[in-house]
Amino acid sequence: EAQVTQNPRYLITVTGKKLTVTCSQNMNHEYMSWYRQDPGLGLRQIYYSMNVEVTDKGDVPEGYKVSRKEKRNFPLILESPSPNQTSLYFCASKDSGLGLAGETQYFGPGTRLLVL
Amino acid sequence: GQQLNQSPQSMFIQEGEDVSMNCTSSSIFNTWLWYKQDPGEGPVLLIALYKAGELTSNGRLTAQFGITRKDSFLNISASIPSDVGIYFCAGQHNAGGTSYGKLTFGQGTILTVHP
Repeated sequence: EAQVTQNPRYLITVTGKKLTVTCSQNMNHEYMSWYRQDPGLGLRQIYYSMNVEVTDKGDVPEGYKVSRKEKRNFPLILESPSPNQTSLYFCASKDSGLGLAGETQYFGPGTRLLVL
Repeated sequence: GQQLNQSPQSMFIQEGEDVSMNCTSSSIFNTWLWYKQDPGEGPVLLIALYKAGELTSNGRLTAQFGITRKDSFLNISASIPSDVGIYFCAGQHNAGGTSYGKLTFGQGTILTVHP
């Protein structure tokens, strides 16, 4: 089954304790992206990757790191989490083709993070 | 960063009514996208718009790309209970540009449909 998986789905942590949220896709997509969703703010893009070893900042990259060492994985790293990073996080991937196939992002199930 | 203003923030309607929501931007986008998010799920793409003035339908959904490329609207006709969810607009730049791949979302419209 074609899918994007994220782990963990739920996480409670404390300020300053490094954490990693994993994202993996099995569709051989070149493009992957991370978003955070907060009430009243919609989804905001954190980082995206057009291909292996290529990453770019989205609208809210501060406090986050990513890496794209292989095509299927795109982990999100919080080196020193703070309470304002409490949010719902989504990973997504899509084909790099033109037209509707190239626009259709497949989203993971989300990771709900609470930073105390 | 860029911002998309989406309105209304929420809507409460009766089953069978038509729905309209829109997005405006301070800057130009080359592609407008409309997503729906069901509770507990990630967003799912509904419609993609590529040309200024373009009108596209997907079943009971119709969306238009504004002439100025700074706005878009989504209409849902004859709403049904399963239309409930959060609807998001999103803007994207063209392939080949330095900003391609960067996607900006609106704040979302929460739709409630009463049977």
